[in-house]
Amino acid sequence: NAGVTQTPKFQVLKTGQSMTLQCAQDMNHNSMYWYRQDPGMGLRLIYYSASEGTTDKGEVPNGYNVSRLNKREFSLRLESAAPSQTSVYFCASSTGPRFDQPQHFGDGTRLSIL
Amino acid sequence: DAKTTQPPSMDCAEGRAANLPCNHSTISGNEYVYWYRQIHSQGPQYIIHGLKNNETNEMASLIITEDRKSSTLILPHATLRDTAVYYCIVRVANTGGFKTIFGAGTRLFVKA
Repeated sequence: NAGVTQTPKFQVLKTGQSMTLQCAQDMNHNSMYWYRQDPGMGLRLIYYSASEGTTDKGEVPNGYNVSRLNKREFSLRLESAAPSQTSVYFCASSTGPRFDQPQHFGDGTRLSIL
Repeated sequence: DAKTTQPPSMDCAEGRAANLPCNHSTISGNEYVYWYRQIHSQGPQYIIHGLKNNETNEMASLIITEDRKSSTLILPHATLRDTAVYYCIVRVANTGGFKTIFGAGTRLFVKA
């Protein structure tokens, strides 16, 4: 049982390049999330999908787009990468959007933008 | 959401109980206490949550004071693999995880 799988695990980009981070879950969860984690900042929500077919902005959506491809997959796209987007990106999923439905996280994508 | 205060770091001997405190003096009646942890280079992991009664699962126990202004997460027999950052979060249950949910946490070092 893989849980939440993120690919790639590491990536280095040049400023201005584009890239898509992939996330898939095998727990039949309805809700999925993308966070970024920077030193001293905790986890900040970028986008979320409360259920298949819906997506909404979180706290820091600028410079990102998302696609809920199906119930299992939720991708995050950087259209024109900037050094400020250097971070560790985590995908998470939960049964539903209530906070008492615990979120299950992937192991992250470490992204460096030069 | 109520603000939480945790010590920045703690040590624990392997095999002993690890007791991690959290203060949440402004907690309101419908807010739950949640604990997650993050082991180095991994994603956060849910541990336990509770409202007012003490809770126990296969990972840990959660003790909430009668006035609910503080709580303690107990790992009964800490192992080296429990070395991680532990986050205490106070939230209303029926709100979504649609905002920053983790602060600085407590860095627990389990020593052999």
